[in-house]
Amino acid sequence: SQQGEEDPQALSIQEGENATMNCSYKTSINNLQWYRQNSGRGLVHLILIRSNEREKHSGRLRVTLDTSKKSSSLLITASRAADTASYFCATGPTGANSKLTFGKGITLSVRP
Amino acid sequence: GAVVSQHPSRVICKSGTSVKIECRSLDFQATTMFWYRQFPKKSLMLMATSNEGSKATYEQGVEKDKFLINHASLTLSTLTVTSAHPEDSSFYICSAHTGVDNEKLFFGSGTQLSVL
Repeated sequence: SQQGEEDPQALSIQEGENATMNCSYKTSINNLQWYRQNSGRGLVHLILIRSNEREKHSGRLRVTLDTSKKSSSLLITASRAADTASYFCATGPTGANSKLTFGKGITLSVRP
Repeated sequence: GAVVSQHPSRVICKSGTSVKIECRSLDFQATTMFWYRQFPKKSLMLMATSNEGSKATYEQGVEKDKFLINHASLTLSTLTVTSAHPEDSSFYICSAHTGVDNEKLFFGSGTQLSVL
């Protein structure tokens, strides 16, 4: 069953604006990760936030995690046309099972 | 960063033929690799976990005789789609953990399979 659910499904913004993408999940997690996928390519890991962390930064990326609401957000600041891609959240379960569960993804379009 | 190489990137085949997709970890050893299938504008669906030196673990609903997985070395896993049919047309992606950071996945660039 689907664990992570992102919203919105699609987002179109102007270059320079910030992009905020949300992810909700259902079961307990050890960590939550965000990945990026350019069209027709594999996924690239962006950032990982652990269940005991609330916020994490990496360059223009800011991720928050609210385990009480079972939700996470990914903020891309000062977006660029090159940020155009699909973004997926993936949840890492608790316990020994190391398999990630991916959401359906968000298509971000950044207009130059 | 760790590199996972996947070949071929695109393959077109006739119905009934078999297609082999290779996934290699170039600068690390991967005892476990994961094979995913992705439909257009959809999420990744985990098909199976490939284990070096042992049998792959398939997810529920995935036919093991249809999708043969071999993980003969610490740097190579292969997925063979046997007797391919048009409904097998999809984007197939492999991934692996490194030994250092087992939580983060490194992905191959994917294989677009089109069965005529």
